[in-house]
Amino acid sequence: GAGVSQSPRYKVAKRGQDVALRCDPISGHVSLFWYQQALGQGPEFLTYFQNEAQLDKSGLPSDRFFAERPEGSVSTLKIQRTQQEDSAVYLCASSLGPLSSYNEQFFGPGTRLTVL
Amino acid sequence: AQSVSQHNHHVILSEAASLELGCNYSYGGTVNLFWYVQYPGQHLQLLLKYFSGDPLVKGIKGFEAEFIKSKFSFNLRKPSVQWSDTAEYFCAVALRSTDKLIFGTGTRLQVFP
Repeated sequence: GAGVSQSPRYKVAKRGQDVALRCDPISGHVSLFWYQQALGQGPEFLTYFQNEAQLDKSGLPSDRFFAERPEGSVSTLKIQRTQQEDSAVYLCASSLGPLSSYNEQFFGPGTRLTVL
Repeated sequence: AQSVSQHNHHVILSEAASLELGCNYSYGGTVNLFWYVQYPGQHLQLLLKYFSGDPLVKGIKGFEAEFIKSKFSFNLRKPSVQWSDTAEYFCAVALRSTDKLIFGTGTRLQVFP
């Protein structure tokens, strides 16, 4: 693929609903990252996969947030029982390998989640 | 706590003016440093990166940045801005031992013709 794609681009949820956000990384990219960007802020790290292994989930704000990448390609970020403070743009990024090997992260367009 | 500070939240310039955007970080270890740009309606894209070697790094579209280790800084510069440089600019840092990027809050640059 030409780049990282995310779907849906926009999602409106009522408070308490569950949502699932999808990320399709660049083909062949081993590493996949999720970031959360609140209005007027920089992206904040949520979680990181290397292939199907979730190596770091230290940024997930609560146990309502869950991410998976079962086959080492497409990833889904799931938010259960959404709350208003979950409203943000959720960014996915992928890279060919680790930053320590001089790889860069390529970002997708993001999913804008609005919780009413 | 580890953090990245961007001192200028909103910068307004006329075309041909020179640009310098500040970025400071608070990590004590070895770091990789990045500047990303987000043009209106577009994705975040990499402007330039520093991993090691020459601390003066040249990126796309005439941008450059200088890593000054003693000042924990990685300021972005461009000698002459264009209207098309209007965008939001994010500085990001990663500890050499990790892959997660820590971003600053961003600087919104507006360039008027």
